[in-house]
Amino acid sequence: GAVVSQHPSRVICKSGTSVKIECRSLDFQATTMFWYRQFPKQSLMLMATSNEGSKATYEQGVEKDKFLINHASLTLSTLTVTSAHPEDSSFYICSAGLQGRTEAFFGQGTRLTVV
Amino acid sequence: QKEVEQDPGPLSVPEGAIVSLNCTYSNSAFQYFMWYRQYSRKGPELLMYTYSSGNKEDGRFTAQVDKSSKYISLFIRDSQPSDSATYLCAMSAQGYSSASKIIFGSGTRLSIRP
Repeated sequence: GAVVSQHPSRVICKSGTSVKIECRSLDFQATTMFWYRQFPKQSLMLMATSNEGSKATYEQGVEKDKFLINHASLTLSTLTVTSAHPEDSSFYICSAGLQGRTEAFFGQGTRLTVV
Repeated sequence: QKEVEQDPGPLSVPEGAIVSLNCTYSNSAFQYFMWYRQYSRKGPELLMYTYSSGNKEDGRFTAQVDKSSKYISLFIRDSQPSDSATYLCAMSAQGYSSASKIIFGSGTRLSIRP
């Protein structure tokens, strides 16, 4: 099956710094990648949708200048949390998709803790 | 009102029991319905998907959709301790193609007692 690799799996950073999370589709080319945030005991909340080579589409309430998404190739999308604050601490998950395929493939998630 | 409502649980049942997990939704445009399983600190994995109303069976799992009531269910027969996980319902108006926008329920934590 298709594999999506997300890195790092855990990161701790100081308040005010930036953190980059990578999402790679290892054995297929992803036309679309989605970024989600999941707080404890809550649902996956879609943050943004990115298509290779174009600007990401952000969901309402998500600050695009704070959560920078780059989808430079069909196998890599990155999410950069800029000027991180403790309230940004969460579980961030990416998924990669391919038009015509039924299953969305999820990364293993990144646990971000801002101290 | 959330687009998708799901009881967070936790739900604890003995091994071998039949488990019923449910979600309600408010958006009539949803046509595609999915159930995902998520183990702790892992990404979700797709269990089943259905289109519009009806039933679908896959091994010990049965998914039901009642669009008139805006209600979907997942049944697990002969539950096993390895089924212990969080189960997320999900739905889409665009399709269950992986390139479609999917809305998730909050997830139900299920524990199967040996």
